Amino acid sequence: DTEVTQTPKHLVMGMTNKKSLKCEQHMGHRAMYWYKQKAKKPPELMFVYSYEKLSINESVPSRFSPECPNSSLLNLHLHALQPEDSALYLCASSQETVRQPQHFGDGTRLSIL
Amino acid sequence: RKEVEQDPGPFNVPEGATVAFNCTYSNSASQSFFWYRQDCRKEPKLLMSVYSSGNEDGRFTAQLNRASQYISLLIRDSKLSDSATYLCVVIPRGYQKVTFGTGTKLQVIP
Repeated sequence: DTEVTQTPKHLVMGMTNKKSLKCEQHMGHRAMYWYKQKAKKPPELMFVYSYEKLSINESVPSRFSPECPNSSLLNLHLHALQPEDSALYLCASSQETVRQPQHFGDGTRLSIL
Repeated sequence: RKEVEQDPGPFNVPEGATVAFNCTYSNSASQSFFWYRQDCRKEPKLLMSVYSSGNEDGRFTAQLNRASQYISLLIRDSKLSDSATYLCVVIPRGYQKVTFGTGTKLQVIP
């Protein structure tokens, strides 16, 4: 069982929809991450939150909007996505910094129609 | 040259064999290194951190070669359950960037 929980597991949405991905961890970790992974490719870092503050945005389009309501929760708000945004979206957490091991959730598989 | 490179494989090895993968990195200031495994359509799972002095966890041994800028993963006595994609992660000093290698696919054959 993963200690990082992501919901929903699967999401199908149209290009005009607004939806949110959710991630929760109860390990007391202070760094949380969003990754995007396309088939047969490695995960690509999107955002890093450190102590609930956004510390890295890897030039992600504004149609992806992260939010960290508290130290256990991380959301990714989606709006006006494109078909090429279809991918597996992974959330991860680590104790404090990126230099520590990360624990991944099992992801949300997103399909854009 | 890519920041982090791995041979994509696949490496097809019989059960019981020893297999090794390398992961080369271009940033000499890299500081932290990890190996993850990822099963098909699953999330990456941490396999082991890689320390300067090398480290071992059961059948798995990780090494760091700073002079040649690569890390390695050795798997002894391969099991069918070791079949997965092995991803290296390299993190440079002073910057919070996480770079995954492209992954090496291992298939252990009965």
